[in-house]
Amino acid sequence: DTAVSQTPKYLVTQMGNDKSIKCEQNLGHDTMYWYKQDSKKFLKIMFSYNNKELIINETVPNRFSPKSPDKAHLNLHINSLELGDSAVYFCASSQGVGTGLYWSSYEQYFGPGTRLTVT
Amino acid sequence: AQTVTQSQPEMSVQEAETVTLSCTYDTSESDYYLFWYKQPPSRQMILVIRQEAYKQQNATENRFSVNFQKAAKSFSLKISDSQLGDAAMYFCAYNGNSGYALNFGKGTSLLVTP
Repeated sequence: DTAVSQTPKYLVTQMGNDKSIKCEQNLGHDTMYWYKQDSKKFLKIMFSYNNKELIINETVPNRFSPKSPDKAHLNLHINSLELGDSAVYFCASSQGVGTGLYWSSYEQYFGPGTRLTVT
Repeated sequence: AQTVTQSQPEMSVQEAETVTLSCTYDTSESDYYLFWYKQPPSRQMILVIRQEAYKQQNATENRFSVNFQKAAKSFSLKISDSQLGDAAMYFCAYNGNSGYALNFGKGTSLLVTP
């Protein structure tokens, strides 16, 4: 059984188009993430959701919008695609991390990644 | 913001030998977690090892172990008895008390030669 799945795995599209990447986890986790890996392999957080609530929204263009219909899903919509959006996008999930004195950090389980190519 | 530095873009090791990958980080927090993730050519991100900062004992997972030096803010990964399947990008990552995101280093590409 796939723990974190993403569709599609490959996406080739033209500049200006709108596209979506879907992510689903069957681990019962409370927290989900989107990371971007650029052409130099650098991984950077884009968004984080906890119990469907947006927690982290890094400096990402407004053209990127995450949507979490339920705890098991976190989709990424990208409008008006640009050449610089070409990258690998990873979805991940983890147990809830808690807050304050009782926070902890659990393993993040990553999806297989979606390679987006904008032409 | 916390920064994670991996100063070795590439490393090479012969099969059955031992290799150490370096990682340093910058933080003002006292409580945090550190991770090593492996990314083989398949692109899948795989957790190798996890270390809690409040634990003085270094984490180990089979052939993988860390040398965690909190005062020096250093977190190196040692791979013993290297195998061809260990060839991959290795990322060091930091998770602080926001708890909600990993800060990654730029990665070290490990080549294993027969």
